[in-house]
Amino acid sequence: ILNVEQSPQSLHVQEGDSTNFTCSFPSSNFYALHWYRWETAKSPEALFVMTLNGDEKKKGRISATLNTKEGYSYLYIKGSQPEDSATYLCAHGGQGNLIFGKGTKLSVKP
Amino acid sequence: DVKVTQSSRYLVKRTGEKVFLECVQDMDHENMFWYRQDPGLGLRLIYFSYDVKMKEKGDIPEGYSVSREKKERFSLILESASTNQTSMYLCASSWRETIQPQHFGDGTRLSIL
Repeated sequence: ILNVEQSPQSLHVQEGDSTNFTCSFPSSNFYALHWYRWETAKSPEALFVMTLNGDEKKKGRISATLNTKEGYSYLYIKGSQPEDSATYLCAHGGQGNLIFGKGTKLSVKP
Repeated sequence: DVKVTQSSRYLVKRTGEKVFLECVQDMDHENMFWYRQDPGLGLRLIYFSYDVKMKEKGDIPEGYSVSREKKERFSLILESASTNQTSMYLCASSWRETIQPQHFGDGTRLSIL
């Protein structure tokens, strides 16, 4: 994998469902893995920056895991709420060379 | 909270015009960045700056220049705007270290007619 790839491209869930999506990145020359949430008409908001293999981070109902050896990160949302509707971006690299994925667009129906 | 302010949310300009997009951050961050977002593509880095008067080309610098005369302000300049520069432009700032997140502005949706 040369670029950062995110799947699925979009996701529609019901309120209360738990969901997860994937970010794949080059496993060689790992620097850091960033997750951002981007709500419509707002600025992207940082969720996590992860650097260590096996790292797990949590912020409320959202958590993320990191596997640098195989080049993937998972983002989990437990009990999705309508306010979780957003595009979730991941990015890999250093500060001056962050490569962003195309994002996963999550829609949560009440 | 970090505040990154972009001068305009929406901007319409004509082909050939010189266009300035301004960005100001209030956290004394060393790094500042300009990205563009186009449908079906991830955010792409145009230029970044790691200090006053310092700049580095990103992935797509052609047709753009930047200016950072003060630490808090980073300007993106379209020397002679073209229709293929119609896009959403996002400014961001961060502390120098790799493990620090980037903080984004609300974006400028620029249309070149």
